Amino acid sequence: NAGVTQTPKFQVLKTGQSMTLQCAQDMNHEYMSWYRQDPGMGLRLIHYSVGAGITDQGEVPNGYNVSRSTTEDFPLRLLSAAPSQTSVYFCASSYRDRGTDTQYFGPGTRLTVL
Amino acid sequence: SQQGEEDPQALSIQEGENATMNCSYKTSINNLQWYRQNSGRGLVHLILIRSNEREKHSGRLRVTLDTSKKSSSLLITASRAADTASYFCATLTGGSNYKLTFGKGTLLTVNP
Repeated sequence: NAGVTQTPKFQVLKTGQSMTLQCAQDMNHEYMSWYRQDPGMGLRLIHYSVGAGITDQGEVPNGYNVSRSTTEDFPLRLLSAAPSQTSVYFCASSYRDRGTDTQYFGPGTRLTVL
Repeated sequence: SQQGEEDPQALSIQEGENATMNCSYKTSINNLQWYRQNSGRGLVHLILIRSNEREKHSGRLRVTLDTSKKSSSLLITASRAADTASYFCATLTGGSNYKLTFGKGTLLTVNP
């Protein structure tokens, strides 16, 4: 198993540009989520999904869109990048309600918005 | 606002000493999890304790959970320099509001 993969690992954008951060898992996990990590702020939940076709907002959803058309993929879209979105983004996945809710994290995407 | 809050924000100890980190949360939970993050890396799961459990052990790790106080503690015994990392608690709320939220973390430094 590859686990949770994220691409790209690094990205530099200009203000106003759009891009999609990719996340995929091969463990057939129902639950997938996106977090951003900023210094001193820990991990903040952006969006999450409890299954294909179902998504919901976390703590900091503004400026981000998600979709979940398959169990495996959960892309995060930035429609118009802003400097405040400079951060490290982590994708995670887990089973849901099976008593084993351990999250598996991807390696992260470091995004800089100029 | 974030569900979990760790205390202290930073902790520095000598190798061989024990390290204790605390986590407080606000709402009812299904379980509470602790993760470690080495500098520049992703998070790694350490231990999970369910809401009906009070204490759990895994190797040098001991986790307690007090649901009446909405708090948890992580004890690392006989610490090693390799334990230097940030430690995060995360709370899982279940049912129709199933999601995992993290605290801000405790930075542990173990000096050789």
